Amino acid sequence: AQTVTQSQPEMSVQEAETVTLSCTYDTSENNYYLFWYKQPPSRQMILVIRQEAYKQQNATENRFSVNFQKAAKSFSLKISDSQLGDTAMYFCAFMKRGSFGNEKLTFGTGTRLTIIP
Amino acid sequence: EAGVTQSPTHLIKTRGQQATLRCSPISGHTSVYWYQQALGLGLQFLLWYDEGEERNRGNFPPRFSGRQFPNYSSELNVNALELEDSALYLCASSPGQPIYNEQFFGPGTRLTVL
Repeated sequence: AQTVTQSQPEMSVQEAETVTLSCTYDTSENNYYLFWYKQPPSRQMILVIRQEAYKQQNATENRFSVNFQKAAKSFSLKISDSQLGDTAMYFCAFMKRGSFGNEKLTFGTGTRLTIIP
Repeated sequence: EAGVTQSPTHLIKTRGQQATLRCSPISGHTSVYWYQQALGLGLQFLLWYDEGEERNRGNFPPRFSGRQFPNYSSELNVNALELEDSALYLCASSPGQPIYNEQFFGPGTRLTVL
């Protein structure tokens, strides 16, 4: 079974600053995906960024980037130039690459990020 | 393109009753997933349906059940409701083909058990 751990229940940062959210996971699988999802106060979950385990290059999406350390089973999210709209719950998630392709997501408990004006 | 829709938005039941939650996936998506988001517990996987079949089930008692219809919409049923079933229930859909791996989430149904 897979586990995902987010050790920072809450974080806050000033607008325009950079913030890093931590995530570690445990798995015996070799083929998997890692995700960061964002859940704003309106509660619709949105995908922020995705990393395929077999790719060594860290994924980036505009202001969002990850630091994927496969050997250490670490997957942190960096948000640069933070904006008020980044205020949300952030969930780290793991998905095994199964025979049907898409499998269930295993989530961490989330980090509540507040961007301070 | 319309996103994942869920109904109702809110549902209030009393202990022992049954609840039915509904989900319509994005057009063309064949896989539907159900997750429970209880306060302080993060998101827990409940059920996964693909092409009308139950593919996987999380560690929940049998009173949590569901089905997927020929049009790929899905229903989650919770029987003999207990107070701890109060949670936000999220539905997600994905295309189902192996090359895709993103799940698209709906807005959720807030179930309150009194």
